Amino acid sequence: DAGITQSPRHKVTETGTPVTLRCHQTENHRYMYWYRQDPGHGLRLIHYSYGVKDTDKGEVSDGYSVSRSKTEDFLLTLESATSSQTSVYFCAISVESARNNEQFFGPGTRLTVL
Amino acid sequence: GQQVMQIPQYQHVQEGEDFTTYCNSSTTLSNIQWYKQRPGGHPVFLIQLVKSGEVKKQKRLTFQFGEAKKNSSLHITATQTTDVGTYFCAGWGNQFYFGTGTSLTVIP
Repeated sequence: DAGITQSPRHKVTETGTPVTLRCHQTENHRYMYWYRQDPGHGLRLIHYSYGVKDTDKGEVSDGYSVSRSKTEDFLLTLESATSSQTSVYFCAISVESARNNEQFFGPGTRLTVL
Repeated sequence: GQQVMQIPQYQHVQEGEDFTTYCNSSTTLSNIQWYKQRPGGHPVFLIQLVKSGEVKKQKRLTFQFGEAKKNSSLHITATQTTDVGTYFCAGWGNQFYFGTGTSLTVIP
Protein backbone atom coordinates (compact mmCIF):
# COMPACT_ATOMS: atom_id res chain seq x y z
CA ASP A 1 0.00 0.00 0.00
CA ALA A 2 0.95 3.63 -0.43
CA GLY A 3 1.78 4.47 3.19
CA ILE A 4 -1.62 5.90 4.06
CA THR A 5 -3.18 5.40 7.46
CA GLN A 6 -6.52 6.59 8.74
CA SER A 7 -7.57 6.97 12.35
CA PRO A 8 -9.75 5.95 13.93
CA ARG A 9 -10.77 2.97 11.81
CA HIS A 10 -14.15 2.73 13.49
CA LYS A 11 -16.11 5.28 15.48
CA VAL A 12 -19.58 5.46 16.97
CA THR A 13 -20.74 8.85 18.13
CA GLU A 14 -23.92 10.69 18.96
CA THR A 15 -25.74 13.35 17.00
CA GLY A 16 -24.43 16.83 17.73
CA THR A 17 -20.93 15.83 18.83
CA PRO A 18 -17.81 16.99 16.98
CA VAL A 19 -15.75 14.35 15.22
CA THR A 20 -12.30 14.56 13.65
CA LEU A 21 -10.89 11.96 11.30
CA ARG A 22 -7.20 11.88 10.53
CA CYS A 23 -5.40 10.86 7.37
CA HIS A 24 -1.64 10.41 7.51
CA GLN A 25 0.70 9.72 4.61
CA THR A 26 4.37 8.88 4.52
CA GLU A 27 4.83 9.63 0.80
CA ASN A 28 4.96 13.45 0.92
CA HIS A 29 2.45 13.64 -1.91
CA ARG A 30 1.03 17.06 -2.60
CA TYR A 31 -2.62 16.14 -3.18
CA MET A 32 -4.91 14.64 -0.56
CA TYR A 33 -8.63 13.92 -0.71
CA TRP A 34 -11.51 13.00 1.54
CA TYR A 35 -14.37 10.90 0.17
CA ARG A 36 -17.45 9.36 1.66
CA GLN A 37 -18.87 6.11 0.36
CA ASP A 38 -22.54 5.25 0.62
CA PRO A 39 -24.52 2.46 -1.07
CA GLY A 40 -25.80 3.51 -4.47
CA HIS A 41 -23.68 6.66 -4.56
CA GLY A 42 -20.18 5.37 -5.11
CA LEU A 43 -17.53 7.66 -3.68
CA ARG A 44 -18.26 11.35 -3.36
CA LEU A 45 -15.57 13.96 -2.90
CA ILE A 46 -15.92 16.01 0.28
CA HIS A 47 -12.82 18.21 0.27
CA TYR A 48 -9.38 18.08 -1.21
CA SER A 49 -6.02 19.70 -0.64
CA TYR A 50 -3.32 20.66 -3.10
CA GLY A 51 -0.76 21.72 -0.54
CA VAL A 52 -0.26 22.83 3.04
CA LYS A 53 -3.10 25.17 3.98
CA ASP A 54 -4.49 24.93 0.43
CA THR A 55 -7.87 23.24 0.37
CA ASP A 56 -11.00 23.32 -1.72
CA LYS A 57 -14.55 22.01 -1.56
CA GLY A 58 -15.81 18.92 -3.27
CA GLU A 59 -19.23 17.74 -4.28
CA VAL A 60 -20.59 17.15 -0.75
CA SER A 61 -18.74 19.61 1.49
CA ASP A 62 -21.67 20.91 3.57
CA GLY A 63 -21.26 19.98 7.23
CA TYR A 64 -17.56 19.21 6.86
CA SER A 65 -14.36 21.20 7.29
CA VAL A 66 -10.75 20.24 6.68
CA SER A 67 -7.31 21.36 7.70
CA ARG A 68 -3.84 20.63 6.46
CA SER A 69 -1.08 22.17 8.54
CA LYS A 70 1.54 19.60 7.53
CA THR A 71 2.13 17.82 4.23
CA GLU A 72 1.59 14.43 5.80
CA ASP A 73 -1.68 15.08 7.64
CA PHE A 74 -5.15 15.93 6.37
CA LEU A 75 -7.90 16.26 8.95
CA LEU A 76 -11.63 16.01 8.32
CA THR A 77 -13.92 17.53 10.95
CA LEU A 78 -17.63 17.15 11.42
CA GLU A 79 -18.44 20.13 13.62
CA SER A 80 -21.77 18.70 14.76
CA ALA A 81 -22.34 15.17 13.52
CA THR A 82 -25.71 14.17 12.08
CA SER A 83 -27.12 10.74 11.28
CA SER A 84 -26.86 11.53 7.55
CA GLN A 85 -23.09 11.59 7.99
CA THR A 86 -23.02 7.91 8.90
CA SER A 87 -20.77 6.54 6.20
CA VAL A 88 -17.42 5.05 5.32
CA TYR A 89 -14.81 7.75 4.86
CA PHE A 90 -11.80 7.24 2.63
CA CYS A 91 -8.72 9.37 2.38
CA ALA A 92 -6.71 9.33 -0.83
CA ILE A 93 -3.46 10.82 -2.10
CA SER A 94 -2.00 11.50 -5.51
CA VAL A 95 1.35 12.70 -6.76
CA GLU A 96 -0.27 15.38 -8.86
CA SER A 97 -3.86 16.40 -9.52
CA ALA A 98 -6.34 13.58 -10.03
CA ARG A 99 -6.89 15.15 -13.43
CA ASN A 100 -4.02 13.02 -14.69
CA ASN A 101 -2.88 10.85 -11.83
CA GLU A 102 -4.04 7.78 -10.05
CA GLN A 103 -5.16 8.06 -6.47
CA PHE A 104 -4.04 5.78 -3.67
CA PHE A 105 -6.60 5.12 -1.00
CA GLY A 106 -6.35 4.55 2.71
CA PRO A 107 -8.12 1.69 4.50
CA GLY A 108 -11.18 3.77 5.41
CA THR A 109 -12.96 4.86 8.58
CA ARG A 110 -16.41 3.56 9.37
CA LEU A 111 -18.37 6.27 11.19
CA THR A 112 -21.74 5.68 12.79
CA VAL A 113 -23.73 8.64 14.11
CA LEU A 114 -26.55 7.62 16.42
CA GLY B 1 -24.61 18.96 -11.10
CA GLN B 2 -22.40 16.55 -12.93
CA GLN B 3 -23.34 12.91 -12.70
CA VAL B 4 -21.44 9.76 -13.53
CA MET B 5 -23.68 6.72 -13.69
CA GLN B 6 -22.76 3.10 -14.11
CA ILE B 7 -24.85 0.19 -15.29
CA PRO B 8 -25.63 -2.37 -14.21
CA GLN B 9 -25.55 -1.74 -10.46
CA TYR B 10 -25.17 -5.48 -9.78
CA GLN B 11 -24.09 -8.37 -11.99
CA HIS B 12 -23.95 -12.05 -11.17
CA VAL B 13 -22.09 -14.27 -13.63
CA GLN B 14 -21.00 -17.87 -13.78
CA GLU B 15 -17.26 -18.31 -13.65
CA GLY B 16 -15.96 -18.24 -17.21
CA GLU B 17 -18.64 -15.89 -18.52
CA ASP B 18 -17.84 -12.40 -19.75
CA PHE B 19 -18.76 -9.20 -17.89
CA THR B 20 -19.17 -5.61 -18.98
CA THR B 21 -19.85 -2.45 -17.02
CA TYR B 22 -20.75 0.85 -18.64
CA CYS B 23 -19.95 4.32 -17.36
CA ASN B 24 -21.83 7.41 -18.56
CA SER B 25 -21.13 11.01 -17.66
CA SER B 26 -23.48 13.95 -18.07
CA THR B 27 -20.53 16.11 -19.14
CA THR B 28 -17.28 15.67 -21.03
CA LEU B 29 -14.43 14.21 -19.02
CA SER B 30 -10.75 15.06 -19.47
CA ASN B 31 -9.78 11.55 -18.41
CA ILE B 32 -11.34 8.33 -17.17
CA GLN B 33 -9.93 6.13 -14.48
CA TRP B 34 -11.07 2.71 -13.34
CA TYR B 35 -10.82 1.35 -9.82
CA LYS B 36 -11.62 -2.00 -8.24
CA GLN B 37 -12.79 -2.40 -4.66
CA ARG B 38 -12.84 -5.82 -3.07
CA PRO B 39 -15.51 -6.45 -0.42
CA GLY B 40 -14.45 -4.74 2.79
CA GLY B 41 -11.48 -3.11 1.10
CA HIS B 42 -10.50 0.19 -0.41
CA PRO B 43 -10.52 1.25 -4.08
CA VAL B 44 -7.44 0.26 -6.05
CA PHE B 45 -6.44 1.97 -9.27
CA LEU B 46 -6.60 -0.17 -12.41
CA ILE B 47 -5.99 2.11 -15.37
CA GLN B 48 -6.37 5.58 -16.85
CA LEU B 49 -7.49 6.57 -20.35
CA VAL B 50 -7.07 10.07 -21.68
CA LYS B 51 -7.60 10.09 -25.44
CA SER B 52 -10.91 10.02 -27.25
CA GLY B 53 -11.63 6.50 -28.50
CA GLU B 54 -8.72 5.03 -26.55
CA VAL B 55 -8.70 1.30 -25.87
CA LYS B 56 -6.38 -0.37 -23.37
CA LYS B 57 -6.02 -3.98 -22.33
CA GLN B 58 -4.76 -5.60 -19.16
CA LYS B 59 -4.75 -9.37 -19.60
CA ARG B 60 -8.48 -10.28 -19.54
CA LEU B 61 -9.63 -6.69 -18.97
CA THR B 62 -10.41 -4.29 -21.83
CA PHE B 63 -11.07 -0.62 -21.18
CA GLN B 64 -12.54 1.83 -23.65
CA PHE B 65 -13.02 5.61 -23.60
CA GLY B 66 -15.79 6.91 -25.83
CA GLU B 67 -15.26 9.19 -28.80
CA ALA B 68 -17.14 12.03 -27.12
CA LYS B 69 -15.26 11.45 -23.84
CA LYS B 70 -18.54 11.09 -21.99
CA ASN B 71 -18.66 7.33 -21.64
CA SER B 72 -16.43 4.37 -20.97
CA SER B 73 -16.65 0.63 -20.56
CA LEU B 74 -14.79 -2.17 -18.83
CA HIS B 75 -15.05 -5.67 -20.26
CA ILE B 76 -13.74 -8.76 -18.49
CA THR B 77 -13.32 -11.91 -20.54
CA ALA B 78 -13.78 -15.31 -18.91
CA THR B 79 -14.38 -14.10 -15.37
CA GLN B 80 -12.63 -15.72 -12.43
CA THR B 81 -13.53 -15.74 -8.75
CA THR B 82 -10.68 -13.29 -8.18
CA ASP B 83 -12.58 -10.72 -10.25
CA VAL B 84 -15.21 -10.35 -7.51
CA GLY B 85 -15.64 -6.78 -6.31
CA THR B 86 -17.08 -3.42 -7.22
CA TYR B 87 -15.73 -1.62 -10.25
CA PHE B 88 -15.83 2.15 -10.34
CA CYS B 89 -15.12 4.57 -13.13
CA ALA B 90 -13.97 8.07 -12.22
CA GLY B 91 -13.12 11.15 -14.16
CA TRP B 92 -12.42 14.84 -14.13
CA GLY B 93 -15.18 17.13 -15.41
CA ASN B 94 -15.26 20.39 -13.48
CA GLN B 95 -14.21 18.32 -10.50
CA PHE B 96 -13.30 14.69 -9.86
CA TYR B 97 -16.32 12.37 -9.85
CA PHE B 98 -16.67 8.68 -9.20
CA GLY B 99 -19.31 6.58 -10.87
CA THR B 100 -21.95 4.75 -8.88
CA GLY B 101 -20.15 1.42 -9.30
CA THR B 102 -20.99 -2.07 -10.53
CA SER B 103 -20.81 -4.92 -8.05
CA LEU B 104 -19.64 -8.16 -9.67
CA THR B 105 -20.36 -11.55 -8.16
CA VAL B 106 -18.75 -14.58 -9.78
CA ILE B 107 -20.42 -17.92 -9.12
CA PRO B 108 -17.94 -20.84 -9.14
